[in-house]
Amino acid sequence: QQQVKQSPQSLIVQKGGISIINCAYENTAFDYFPWYQQFPGKGPALLIAIRPDVSEKKEGRFTISFNKSAKQFSLHIMDSQPGDSATYFCAARVYGGSQGNLIFGKGTKLSVKP
Amino acid sequence: KAGVTQTPRYLIKTRGQQVTLSCSPISGHRSVSWYQQTPGQGLQFLFEYFSETQRNKGNFPGRFSGRQFSNSRSEMNVSTLELGDSALYLCASSYGPPTEAFFGQGTRLTVV
Repeated sequence: QQQVKQSPQSLIVQKGGISIINCAYENTAFDYFPWYQQFPGKGPALLIAIRPDVSEKKEGRFTISFNKSAKQFSLHIMDSQPGDSATYFCAARVYGGSQGNLIFGKGTKLSVKP
Repeated sequence: KAGVTQTPRYLIKTRGQQVTLSCSPISGHRSVSWYQQTPGQGLQFLFEYFSETQRNKGNFPGRFSGRQFSNSRSEMNVSTLELGDSALYLCASSYGPPTEAFFGQGTRLTVV
């Protein structure tokens, strides 16, 4: 019940295309869902996050879509660029709880071809 | 504003040795969490400290331990190193447990 399942494992997208990464969870106590971007040799960087009281959040080219009833959320990268090539992790946590640990998906390696 | 600083960046140790990794959180942040990242298991939670108290612990053996100091800096220790402990160890800091977490660049530990 603590798992976050992420798909696909890898993704190849042409420059200018839309990249879509999906995640699903079981624990209904989760109420904070961040996405992290990680480049080789670097730590994960917080990209965008959502709480389940909204169905969508957009920041620049990055959008999170959230479906509470299906317990699924996804990251959309519009107009994908070669510089977006990185590994993306979804995560979940009980936002209001005293324990702040994140449960991560296994990651998606995105390659954007020029 | 300086980010999360982890030292050292790289370490090579021999099986059976012990190792101590250090993490300095973002100024003002009082919560520090540690994660282990491996290609096979992904990012796994080790433990979380807030105001010098361990608030949460992941499913790792007792060889993994940590502590937090009054200035919020944290250290983690791994004793009796095994080959399988080779990983990127990441530290994340936040104002408090339920807020946004920011990661350092990690310490790459190789056990030979």
